[in-house]
Amino acid sequence: DAGVIQSPRHEVTEMGQEVTLRCKPISGHDYLFWYRQTMMRGLELLIYFNNNVPIDDSGMPEDRFSAKMPNASFSTLKIQPSEPRDSAVYFCASSPSHRGQSKAFFGQGTRLTVV
Amino acid sequence: LAKITQPISMDSYEGQEVNITCSHNNIATNDYITWYQQFPSQGPRFIIQGYKTKVTNEVASLFIPADRKSSTLSLPRVSLSDTAVYYCLVGPSAGNTPLVFGKGTRLSVIA
Repeated sequence: DAGVIQSPRHEVTEMGQEVTLRCKPISGHDYLFWYRQTMMRGLELLIYFNNNVPIDDSGMPEDRFSAKMPNASFSTLKIQPSEPRDSAVYFCASSPSHRGQSKAFFGQGTRLTVV
Repeated sequence: LAKITQPISMDSYEGQEVNITCSHNNIATNDYITWYQQFPSQGPRFIIQGYKTKVTNEVASLFIPADRKSSTLSLPRVSLSDTAVYYCLVGPSAGNTPLVFGKGTRLSVIA
C-alpha cells in the first residue's frame, strides 16, 4: 500500500482565493482525520470521518473551512476564502476501524502558504 | 481527557539510551498510552502503544507502572536519525474519542 496520499504537497495562494486540499486514505481504513500544524498551536484535529460520515468537526476554525468525504477513497478540505493565518501544514490521516483513532497513519502533509 | 505532561526538549549523544517520561495523572480505566514520532517535514508516525507493564517492539520499549499515572518511552542506542518530536497520547484504543496531540518532546541527538 502506498500509504495516505495527499495533494498537493505545497500550495501557495493569494489571500481570498479558494484552496482545496486532497487526501486518499489507506484502502480499508474506516477513519479519516484532518489535522493542521503550526509552530504556535502544534497539531490540531480539525475534523474526522467514520465510514465517510463526519463525526466531529468542532476543530474546524470557522465557516471558511469545509471538508467532504464523498467515498471511502477520497476526501477534500476546502478553505474559501483563504487568509494568511491559514498558512500551516495540513495533514490527513487514516486508521482501521478496530483501532479507532489510536493508530493513525499520516500522509506527508500539504504545506499551505497564503500571501 | 487526560492531562499530559512531558518535557519540552531533551538532548542525547549517539549510542545512548534515551528515556522520555510522560505524566498522565487522571488516566481513565479504558485509556491506552500511545507514542508517535514526527520527523521534520513529515507526518507523525505511530511508534508504540501499551496499557500496562512493558511493551517492546523493534523501535522502542514502553514502561508503564502499576498505577498507570506515568509512562516512559525508551529508545535504545539512539542515532542522529532519531532526532524528532515524540508525542505521548492517552485515550481509548478504539471508538470515537479524539486523540489530542500536545506539544511533544523535541529530542536532539548529537554526534
